[in-house]
Amino acid sequence: DSGVTQTPKHLITATGQRVTLRCSPRSGDLSVYWYQQSLDQGLQFLIQYYNGEERAKGNILERFSAQQFPDLHSELNLSSLELGDSALYFCASSIGVGGLYNEQFFGPGTRLTVL
Amino acid sequence: DAKTTQPPSMDCAEGRAANLPCNHSTISGNEYVYWYRQIHSQGPQYIIHGLKNNETNEMASLIITEDRKSSTLILPHATLRDTAVYYCIVRPQTGANNLFFGTGTRLTVIP
Repeated sequence: DSGVTQTPKHLITATGQRVTLRCSPRSGDLSVYWYQQSLDQGLQFLIQYYNGEERAKGNILERFSAQQFPDLHSELNLSSLELGDSALYFCASSIGVGGLYNEQFFGPGTRLTVL
Repeated sequence: DAKTTQPPSMDCAEGRAANLPCNHSTISGNEYVYWYRQIHSQGPQYIIHGLKNNETNEMASLIITEDRKSSTLILPHATLRDTAVYYCIVRPQTGANNLFFGTGTRLTVIP
């Protein structure tokens, strides 16, 4: 158990809909990262937040957005869903924003299925 | 972009050492080598990291060549629970902390 929690575990929805994925980081971690894992793209970094502020952006679509709240939990919002958005979405957390001893600890993921 | 090259798959007999190679010929002086693994759709798990010296922890050993262009992750006594995809990742010491996962090596431990 990494200490990172994600809800829900599974989500099934229809094209065009909007969903929200939630992540609670390990106690004491200030950074939260979101990754997407699909069959054809592998594990891809989406976005990072540190103490409420966006710090880095990866291959995140404009239809997707995220935020980190004062209690440090984070939410990833996916809108206008398409079939290709079906994937595993992982959240990870780390103590700081970067640097040497800043390993990321991953949650169990949310499996999103868009029908 | 992933800056590493790994074999797509490997087998290892249970109880034997598993040696997983990784090429990172364009690694920079301030970049570390990290290893993560992912057990069947679970979240990736940190294993070990190093700069130029060999490193060992309770999970594995990491051997980095003197020119730092390649490394080997060693699981000394592989068990069935070590069956997973292993990712070798090059990451700078400072700056962005996001991880670029390549395709990894699928290790199958055989009874």
